[in-house]
Amino acid sequence: NAGVMQNPRHLVRRRGQEARLRCSPMKGHSHVYWYRQLPEEGLKFMVYLQKENIIDESGMPKERFSAEFPKEGPSILRIQQVVRGDSAAYFCASSRDSNNSPLHFGNGTRLTVT
Amino acid sequence: AQKITQTQPGMFVQEKEAVTLDCTYDTSDQSYGLFWYKQPSSGEMIFLIYQGSYDEQNATEGRYSLNFQKARKSANLVISASQLGDSAMYFCAMRDGIQGAQKLVFGQGTRLTINP
Repeated sequence: NAGVMQNPRHLVRRRGQEARLRCSPMKGHSHVYWYRQLPEEGLKFMVYLQKENIIDESGMPKERFSAEFPKEGPSILRIQQVVRGDSAAYFCASSRDSNNSPLHFGNGTRLTVT
Repeated sequence: AQKITQTQPGMFVQEKEAVTLDCTYDTSDQSYGLFWYKQPSSGEMIFLIYQGSYDEQNATEGRYSLNFQKARKSANLVISASQLGDSAMYFCAMRDGIQGAQKLVFGQGTRLTINP
């Protein structure tokens, strides 16, 4: 009964490179959320997706960041031309529905930009 | 917009004592949900307990209980008989009031340290 799977666990990129973060939701979950956590802060919402649809991307930076959740395969958070300020922990969460069932989080991907 | 405030950056408690972590929230919605998550040093986010705004009884899950005071807009987490393994960051979160969404707003967190 696997939980939310994120990979890689740690990712190091040089400034200007691309970062691709992957998330496989829990079995039976079709709602995926991405959050970002800066050091010593709480998580901040980035984007909410269902299969093949972006439902709410109000927390996503306008440039360089994109997310998808294709019909087949994991959800991908993509950061182009990374900068040092992108260094953070990125968490994916999934839920069964859009009501009050709790979000189940993955272990996060820690992105370090050098 | 929703807002969560956790006023205790850090707390130190002796093992086996009970501890209360404070959380106050601000919302104009009538229907909302409140969550507590634990983040140990390994970094994962662990769901602890949930309280719905219309739930009449305080939520309990094992050693965790939520002291929900709706009029005061507070949702404090109580951990009974604390253990060394309870040392972690604790985050209070609120479900955004947008219907059909599970977008959570998180507080800044409280770092709890249990001393032997």
